Amino acid sequence: DVKVTQSSRYLVKRTGEKVFLECVQDMDHENMFWYRQDPGLGLRLIYFSYDVKMKEKGDIPEGYSVSREKKERFSLILESASTNQTSMYLCASSGGTGWELFFGEGSRLTVL
Amino acid sequence: ELKVEQNPLFLSMQEGKNYTIYCNYSTTSDRLYWYRQDPGKSLESLFVLLSNGAVKQEGRLMASLDTKARLSTLHITAAVHDLSATYFCASSQGGSEKLVFGKGMKLTVNP
Repeated sequence: DVKVTQSSRYLVKRTGEKVFLECVQDMDHENMFWYRQDPGLGLRLIYFSYDVKMKEKGDIPEGYSVSREKKERFSLILESASTNQTSMYLCASSGGTGWELFFGEGSRLTVL
Repeated sequence: ELKVEQNPLFLSMQEGKNYTIYCNYSTTSDRLYWYRQDPGKSLESLFVLLSNGAVKQEGRLMASLDTKARLSTLHITAAVHDLSATYFCASSQGGSEKLVFGKGMKLTVNP
């Protein structure tokens, strides 16, 4: 089974702090994604990566950056957290011959 | 720009009843996904529909895809309480790996 693991299920940070959200997948997938999920807005794509060191902006990249130094790991970085970044963050991966997107358990971030 | 719309966004139904929910998308796509999300949990893949006319069934759920109408349906047969969840559909644009999701439909099945 594909496993996508997000390092923290729950985080509480203060405004202005730098926040790292880590995601690791174990299926050698080329593609990795970061989404945020908010009530009434569904899932919105922040960034995605289709290869090591490659990244593309999604629909809402402002205030976020990403890093993919190794194929299995995709990090989301909030350089200076703000209260409007309080949300559920979902990492996903896809690749190989399949078309499915596999999601991690999610990281719920609260910024005070 | 690809947009995905689900209808309805909230549904409360009785156990044993049937219902169909709809997912429309705005531009040409040959892939349509259905996901389920339980409260506090992540998304679980239900179906991937890859071609026009594709139909897939799992238990009480059946999904179909009409690429000409840009429409996918998720039909629920004889609903049971365990089907209560939020259901998302998603599509991709022009062969891209990037998925665009609908807002999700919250289903409540009452005993």
